[in-house]
Amino acid sequence: QLQLQESGPGLVKPSETLSLTCTVFGGSISTSSYYWGWIRQPPGKGLEWIGNTYYSGTTYYNPSLESRVSISADTSKNQFSLRLSFVTAADTAAYFCARGIVVVAGTPFDYWGQGTLVTVSS
Amino acid sequence: DIQMTQSPSSLSASVGDRVTITCRASQIISNFLNWYQQKPGKAPKLLIYAASSLQSGVPSRFSGSGSGTDFTLTISGLQPEDFATYYCQQSYSTPHTFGGGTKVEIK
Repeated sequence: QLQLQESGPGLVKPSETLSLTCTVFGGSISTSSYYWGWIRQPPGKGLEWIGNTYYSGTTYYNPSLESRVSISADTSKNQFSLRLSFVTAADTAAYFCARGIVVVAGTPFDYWGQGTLVTVSS
Repeated sequence: DIQMTQSPSSLSASVGDRVTITCRASQIISNFLNWYQQKPGKAPKLLIYAASSLQSGVPSRFSGSGSGTDFTLTISGLQPEDFATYYCQQSYSTPHTFGGGTKVEIK
């Protein structure tokens, strides 16, 4: 059974960089059949897609965050990571990592981490 | 960016009711439309992918339809465990935007 687990600081100061890691258990991230993504959800609000990384190394980001965001993968550790720089209070949210299926129509996210709340505050 | 508009934003229904949630895309997205269910404090769960394909393990009372710009999620015979918030998401082009969500509450 595939499991994804987010890890990282729960509190980040304004103007600093938010860094989260997603560790994948029960499956390899080194496969062209899947891609790996980050999604966030501010408290009491809806879901916002942050970006995806693919086996090829291609990444796609939400244009609203593109100047501040970076997603990378470490295949040796079976992890992928999110970095978001120059954070403000508006970046306070639960952050989810997820697996997407490339080879299925609709390319949905079929497995999700449980999410981790990151608060931006001094 | 493709905007996804869900309606209604919330609804009240009783156990056994048939519930319909709609999602409209601001441009044609073929069938690149997925539906998720989210319960408080939990991660979203995939219900329907490619507009009408039922994810493995999801009860058959959930169904999806539509293509192009207009899509529907139907729950035929609402169960107590179905009270949750439902989101659509387009994966036709990046950013892979989500709808604003529909909260299904107990009447």
